Amino acid sequence: KAGVTQTPRYLIKTRGQQVTLSCSPISGHRSVSWYQQTPGQGLQFLFEYFSETQRNKGNFPGRFSGRQFSNSRSEMNVSTLELGDSALYLCASSSSPLSYNEQFFGPGTRLTVL
Amino acid sequence: AQSVSQHNHHVILSEAASLELGCNYSYGGTVNLFWYVQYPGQHLQLLLKYFSGDPLVKGIKGFEAEFIKSKFSFNLRKPSVQWSDTAEYFCAVNSRETGTASKLTFGTGTRLQVTL
Repeated sequence: KAGVTQTPRYLIKTRGQQVTLSCSPISGHRSVSWYQQTPGQGLQFLFEYFSETQRNKGNFPGRFSGRQFSNSRSEMNVSTLELGDSALYLCASSSSPLSYNEQFFGPGTRLTVL
Repeated sequence: AQSVSQHNHHVILSEAASLELGCNYSYGGTVNLFWYVQYPGQHLQLLLKYFSGDPLVKGIKGFEAEFIKSKFSFNLRKPSVQWSDTAEYFCAVNSRETGTASKLTFGTGTRLQVTL
């Protein structure tokens, strides 16, 4: 079974631009979560989607948004990029949003903002 | 709000030494607890988890962790580490309260370096 895939793997943008990251969950998984990983803040929850509905959102500004499609694939968008948005963005999928389910992580998208 | 503390940021051990990584969480309700590992160049992967039952849980690669509710702790242990255990280890928690999402709150991670 293929794992969680994320595209692109690396991205370089400049301040003020916007970016869209994509995540394809494991086949059959309907819950997708996004996390930001930085050396200073560690792993922080961005948002979670299940059946195309956002179930929860972390403490990030409105510039960070996401969506989920009917095939469970998910995208996240960051508008008006800032230098501090440079990070590894991780996507995780699970079969359902039950809290004890294992979340399977993808390799991440490394975003660099210049 | 939930929070997770990992006391050791960087641990260096020789092969065959015993390992214990500390993890404490702060949350008033019922929680699930996880340990994830990130080997160099690889994805985060689950080592073990606790959500109910026996507080001593066993995971992959000989790791185990004990949930001590009174201490809000979930320490990770391994009796004898191998060079291949060199990785970053993350403790995480989420709430089991009905209706809440499954979002994980992670600790800052512990980098384990095992020397030959």
